[in-house]
Amino acid sequence: GAVVSQHPSWVICKSGTSVKIECRSLDFQATTMFWYRQFPKQSLMLMATSNEGSKATYEQGVEKDKFLINHASLTLSTLTVTSAHPEDSSFYICSARVHSSTEAFFGQGTRLTVV
Amino acid sequence: GENVEQHPSTLSVQEGDSAVIKCTYSDSASNYFPWYKQELGKRPQLIIDIRSNVGEKKDQRIAVTLNKTAKHFSLHITETQPEDSAVYFCAADTGRRALTFGSGTRLQVQP
Repeated sequence: GAVVSQHPSWVICKSGTSVKIECRSLDFQATTMFWYRQFPKQSLMLMATSNEGSKATYEQGVEKDKFLINHASLTLSTLTVTSAHPEDSSFYICSARVHSSTEAFFGQGTRLTVV
Repeated sequence: GENVEQHPSTLSVQEGDSAVIKCTYSDSASNYFPWYKQELGKRPQLIIDIRSNVGEKKDQRIAVTLNKTAKHFSLHITETQPEDSAVYFCAADTGRRALTFGSGTRLQVQP
């Protein structure tokens, strides 16, 4: 199957700082990528849809100024958590679908801990 | 938008027994229904999927059934093994947007 790589796999940051997470499609071009957040023992909740060359589409309740998404190329989308707070601590995971295919491929996920 | 409900939230079975997880969806336009297995701290891994033009699909010990009229689909795992222990998520979509996931089922297979 297709490969989606996410980096870093874990990060610890101080409250008030910003953290950038990268999501790359290694062997296919992804015009659309998806960002999810997963709290412990909970499901994956869609945060936003990242569109190459245009603005991301955010789900209701997700602050676009806090979770900045950039999708500057067909193989890279980034999520920046700005002014992070302890309640932002979570497992962030990206996903992409190959054109004309329905299967979704996931990155390894990033465990963010804000102290 | 789509809403997916999943039951049970936890399931404990003896090794060798069968396990069944059920999901319902709300959007009649959904036509793609994957099942993912997620181990602690890892990414979800696709284990089986089914499209709306098929009623049942099987892959070795894993099978999925779909009832479009009732808008529900189920995952069946036979001859369960300890390594099947994980969290399982169902999902639904039209194939063009992000997947909508169920709440997850924590399966524990007792040796």
